[in-house]
Amino acid sequence: AQSVTQLDSQVPVFEEAPVELRCNYSSSVSVYLFWYVQYPNQGLQLLLKYLSGSTLVESINGFEAEFNKSQTSFHLRKPSVHISDTAEYFCAVSERSNTGKLIFGQGTTLQVKP
Amino acid sequence: GAGVSQTPSNKVTEKGKYVELRCDPISGHTALYWYRQSLGQGPEFLIYFQGTGAADDSGLPNDRFFAVRPEGSVSTLKIQRTERGDSAVYLCASSPNRHNYGYTFGSGTRLTVV
Repeated sequence: AQSVTQLDSQVPVFEEAPVELRCNYSSSVSVYLFWYVQYPNQGLQLLLKYLSGSTLVESINGFEAEFNKSQTSFHLRKPSVHISDTAEYFCAVSERSNTGKLIFGQGTTLQVKP
Repeated sequence: GAGVSQTPSNKVTEKGKYVELRCDPISGHTALYWYRQSLGQGPEFLIYFQGTGAADDSGLPNDRFFAVRPEGSVSTLKIQRTERGDSAVYLCASSPNRHNYGYTFGSGTRLTVV
């Protein structure tokens, strides 16, 4: 079985500052890794995913995440945040050989302040 | 349709009543997933359909919960004898197939049992 731990429930940060949202996972088999974002009053949206290849993956809006197999981590980073990045961020894993179901962490609320 | 549609967006019901929640996936998507998101938590997997069949229902909490997808498109999640603990946002997602990781979520149905 897999599990996901998001180490911070809330991360307050000032606009234009860098941010890191931490995610660790546990699994006895190989997994795929995801970050989803949920903006206020909106549904979950895929931000980025790691399936294979380069361990550093990027999103179109400046976020990046790096898969670290030895540390079983998939931390999300952005060098300079905007007010519009305020949202709930969820890390998730999926076992490579199964049905595609996702196991989610509890979420991290990113609060960007002016 | 353009996205995954869930109806109703909000449902208030009395304890002990029966409810049905509907999901209309993206046209042509064969994989369909139901998740439940309680307040302050990440989504939890309930059931996965590939076509018309429930390929994985390991997340259904008990036999009061049941889901169908008779024609391989629209799915209905059915909850019998609702309890206050069933209050949550029920999310539906669809994907072209189970190997297309990073599926599209609907906006959810917020179920409140009073």
